[in-house]
Amino acid sequence: DSGVTQTPKHLITATGQRVTLRCSPRSGDLSVYWYQQSLDQGLQFLIHYYNGEERAKGNILERFSAQQFPDLHSELNLSSLELGDSALYFCASSVEVGSRGTDTQYFGPGTRLTVL
Amino acid sequence: LAKTTQPISMDSYEGQEVNITCSHNNIATNDYITWYQQFPSQGPRFIIQGYKTKVTNEVASLFIPADRKSSTLSLPRVSLSDTAVYYCLLHGNTGGFKTIFGAGTRLFVKA
Repeated sequence: DSGVTQTPKHLITATGQRVTLRCSPRSGDLSVYWYQQSLDQGLQFLIHYYNGEERAKGNILERFSAQQFPDLHSELNLSSLELGDSALYFCASSVEVGSRGTDTQYFGPGTRLTVL
Repeated sequence: LAKTTQPISMDSYEGQEVNITCSHNNIATNDYITWYQQFPSQGPRFIIQGYKTKVTNEVASLFIPADRKSSTLSLPRVSLSDTAVYYCLLHGNTGGFKTIFGAGTRLFVKA
């Protein structure tokens, strides 16, 4: 158990809908990262937040957005869903801002999103 | 951003030592090299991290040559439970912090 929690574990929805994925980082961690992993694919970095502020963006679609709240939990919002958005979505947390190479990311169990 | 290149897959037998090499020709000065392990439908798990020379922990060793253009993860005496995907990535603040996972190496350990 990494200490990172994600809800829900599974989510099934229809095309065109909007969903929200939630992540609670490890106690004391200020950074939250979101990744997308499609079937048999590698992890695609989406976005990084540190203490409520966006720090870096990866290949995140405009239909996707995220935020980190004062209690440090984070939400990833996916809208106008398409079949291709079906994937595992992972959240990771780390202690610091991530600018130091020694900052280790701890991953949650993921949310499996299925878009029908 | 610097990218990493790893073999797509590797096979091994129980009890053998496995070495997985990762190429990162454009590694930046402040990049660290980190390896993660991922089982199906689970989040990646940190294995080891290093900057140069050799790092060893209770799970693995990481060898990094002086030019840092590659690194080798060494898993001693693998077991069936080591069957997983292993990712090599560079971790650092290079032109804006991002974490780039490569395609990973799928290790299959046979009895």
